[in-house]
Amino acid sequence: DAGITQSPRYKITETGRQVTLMCHQTWSHSYMFWYRQDLGHGLRLIYYSAAADITDKGEVPDGYVVSRSKTENFPLTLESATRSQTSVYFCASSGDYSSYEQYFGPGTRLTVT
Amino acid sequence: KQEVTQIPAALSVPEGENLVLNCSFTDSAIYNLQWFRQDPGKGLTSLLLIQSSQREQTSGRLNASLDKSSGRSTLYIAASQPGDSATYLCAVLNPDSWGKLQFGAGTQVVVTP
Repeated sequence: DAGITQSPRYKITETGRQVTLMCHQTWSHSYMFWYRQDLGHGLRLIYYSAAADITDKGEVPDGYVVSRSKTENFPLTLESATRSQTSVYFCASSGDYSSYEQYFGPGTRLTVT
Repeated sequence: KQEVTQIPAALSVPEGENLVLNCSFTDSAIYNLQWFRQDPGKGLTSLLLIQSSQREQTSGRLNASLDKSSGRSTLYIAASQPGDSATYLCAVLNPDSWGKLQFGAGTQVVVTP
């Protein structure tokens, strides 16, 4: 499918477990982003990437790890999940260097018990 | 630091009425501004993007204006329909920000039949 996809769409895990959320885009966009969305906090940037092998922290990076070995993939790993990481996670990408218009994936709803 | 505000947080209008959604930002030196729509349980859909050099952008029943000097953007939706019910978010892109958007908290819109 063309566009940006996320998997899994829903995930329930236990405290302390490692979890990886996947993001894949088919546009070859250079920029990719991970956000979390929580009631009362809106959208917050976790990590972003300007190109393969170039990543940097956003507003709330603690407890998360990212990698980007290929342009089209940008996985987000929770090394040891905590209840405070229960959230909806969105991946986004942009590739137009004149507009930087961002396109979002459908989201992953993660529950940490 | 750029701050983006959307007031009101929620809005209810009868079908057929025009919708006016507001977005304000504190630093006028923006690169562009993007309006998104989010349906419950879904990702964000890009509606309109206005470059800093533009005053407005139109798509169908949607029209977005930008006044950089006063730090405001307005999204107009003509002849609202129940299908327009959603949360609308604005986001600004600052220069030299590596494509990172600064989001407002959104306005939740309900259009009643």
